[in-house]
Amino acid sequence: DSGVTQTPKHLITATGQRVTLRCSPRSGDLSVYWYQQSLDQGLQFLIQYYNGEERAKGNILERFSAQQFPDLHSELNLSSLELGDSALYFCASSVAPGVGETQYFGPGTRLLVL
Amino acid sequence: GQNIDQPTEMTATEGAIVQINCTYQTSGFNGLFWYQQHAGEAPTFLSYNVLDGLEEKGRFSSFLSRSKGYSYLLLKELQMKDSASYLCALGPGAGSYQLTFGKGTKLSVIP
Repeated sequence: DSGVTQTPKHLITATGQRVTLRCSPRSGDLSVYWYQQSLDQGLQFLIQYYNGEERAKGNILERFSAQQFPDLHSELNLSSLELGDSALYFCASSVAPGVGETQYFGPGTRLLVL
Repeated sequence: GQNIDQPTEMTATEGAIVQINCTYQTSGFNGLFWYQQHAGEAPTFLSYNVLDGLEEKGRFSSFLSRSKGYSYLLLKELQMKDSASYLCALGPGAGSYQLTFGKGTKLSVIP
C-alpha cells in the first residue's frame, strides 16, 4: 500500500458523459501527478500539481481538467467522454517536484466508456 | 524529446536470473527509475539510478550507463510472484518534473 488513495476504483459510463476521479496523496506529499494508461500507449503523463498550483502539463486533452485543493487532494475531470478515453487513470504523489523525488502511485481508477 | 525502448515480453524460469534492458534517447534527464507493475495494479517503485554503475537492492539490481544511453534491471533467484511488467522511466530533466515511461517489459516466470 503506497498511501495514495483513489476513488472510485471502477467507473462505467457512456459516451458524451462527464466523470470526476479523486486522489488523496500520501501524508506529507505536496505534489500530485495524473497518468493515463491504455493498452497500446503505456503510462502517459497528463498533468502535475504542487501545493495547489499547476506545475506541468503533458498529453492532456482539452476535454480533461484537474485541480488540487487546499487539503492537497486532487480531482481529474473528464468530459465529453469518448470510447478511446477508456483506460486506467493513476494518480501519483511525491514530497515535492524535485529531481530524484520518487513518485508513489495510487491503485488507479479503471474507466470504461461504452 | 525523449524516447525509451524496452523489449515487449520476456520469459524466464523460476530460480534463474533475468536481465531486462532499457535504451533511451533524451536531451537531458537527472536519473532513471525502474517500476514494477502487476497486471491491473499500480506501479511500485523498485530503484533509482542517478550515477553510472550498479545499484543493488536485495534480489534486484539496476545499472545505468549515461554515455551509452542504456540501463538494465537484473532480477536474481526469480520467483513466480516476479511475473509482472517492468517499466523503465526517465526522471525529470531541465525544466520538467514528470517521469517519462517506456511501454514496459512483461516478464513471465515459469516453473
